[in-house]
Order: sequence, then structure tokens, then C-alpha cells
Amino acid sequence: QTVVTQEPSLTVSPGGTVTLTCASSTGAVTSGNYPNWFQQKPGQAPRALIYSTSNKHSWTPARFSGSLLGDKAALTLSGVQPEDEAEYYCLLHYGGAWVFGGGTKLTVL
Amino acid sequence: QVQLVESGGGVVQPGRSLRLSCAASGFTFSSYSVHWVRQAPGKGLEWLTDILNDGRIKHYADSVKGRFTISRDNSKNTLYLQMNSLRVEDTAVYYCARGTIAIAGLDLWGRGTLVTVAS
Repeated sequence: QTVVTQEPSLTVSPGGTVTLTCASSTGAVTSGNYPNWFQQKPGQAPRALIYSTSNKHSWTPARFSGSLLGDKAALTLSGVQPEDEAEYYCLLHYGGAWVFGGGTKLTVL
Repeated sequence: QVQLVESGGGVVQPGRSLRLSCAASGFTFSSYSVHWVRQAPGKGLEWLTDILNDGRIKHYADSVKGRFTISRDNSKNTLYLQMNSLRVEDTAVYYCARGTIAIAGLDLWGRGTLVTVAS
């Protein structure tokens, strides 16, 4: 059973920069896992931010960026805004099936 | 308006069946893969299944393989999830989501429908 691991929680100050990561129990995350990132606020459906490692959707704010960092996928928020406080999930592809990470609760304080 | 709207949720007893629907509008439904994702109360997201645009290829998470069946009717712009032998642990909000055109992720999400399995 494949497990995708994210930091349970992170805290960042307004205007700061924070990097969330996404690791795979099968080994290094690669572009072939098509890493995706989603933001979810309480009571709302998830919103897609990044697909295929680093591609932004038309609605994704410029301060969000995706990359591969070492053997993990990463989501970096630069110039964090109070409204960025939310749960963030990564999603990885494994030859047909997809697996979500457990989520990172980002607090802006 | 580009959107996905789920329906069919409700309260069901353990062991019974339920069929969810997801109505698509505002885009060419037959050109996209579509997915079901669920979220148990207070928990994270769990990917369940997807179906490619022509309906011929489907994938399932191990947790629902053999109990849940995904299908689509491109003439009605509708995605379905047939859920059999429901368990208490299937209680969750069920979301449908559209795949990106290059099958590289998910982009558009519905608002979800709540399924409660309880006696």
C-alpha cells in the first residue's frame, strides 16, 4: 500500500515564504507521478492549485509555485497572505491510480 | 458556467447500496476523464476511482475495488458511482472532479454530496 506523506502542520508569518513537501513511500517523487497540489478551506471543496509538478491553473495566484525538491514534490508560497491559511493536499499518480497525501494544515500567524 | 454538481447522497444502512451522480455543464464532458474523491468527517482526501473520457478504462483504489463501480453517460453529461455493500467507514462527503486535459491531474471540483452509512 502506497503512502504519501506531508508535514502535518506548518506556521508562517504574513509576507513570509513557506515550502510544503510531499514524499512517496515507493521512493523518489518524479515528474512521472504528476504531482498535484490542492487547497481546502473549512466547509469548502478542494481547489486545484498545481498540476504535473509545476503547472498553474488559470486561477492559481502567482505566489504559489510547484517543484521537485530532492526526492519530494514541493509547493512554495511566497509572500504569504492571511487568506492562504488552509489545508493543503498533494496528489501523486502511480500508473493508473492516484494517492493523496495526508494534508498539511498551514497557519498564517 | 463550467461546473460539476453531485447528487444522490443521503443516509443508508450498512450493507445497502447507493448510486451517486455528477452532472457536468459548461464544457465538453466527453473530452475529459473524471474522478471520484471522498473525505470522511474531519479527515483528509481519499482518491477512489477514475474513468477515461470514452469510458473504456477505469481505475480504482484498493479500498473500494469490487464494491464501487464508476460509469459515465456522455450523452447525458453525467458521471455515476454505484456503491454496494456499504460500510460505516464509507461515511464521507463524495466529490466528483474533472481530470486535466493531458491526464496530469485534477482541476475542476464539485461541491460534494454527503453519504452517511448508519443503522
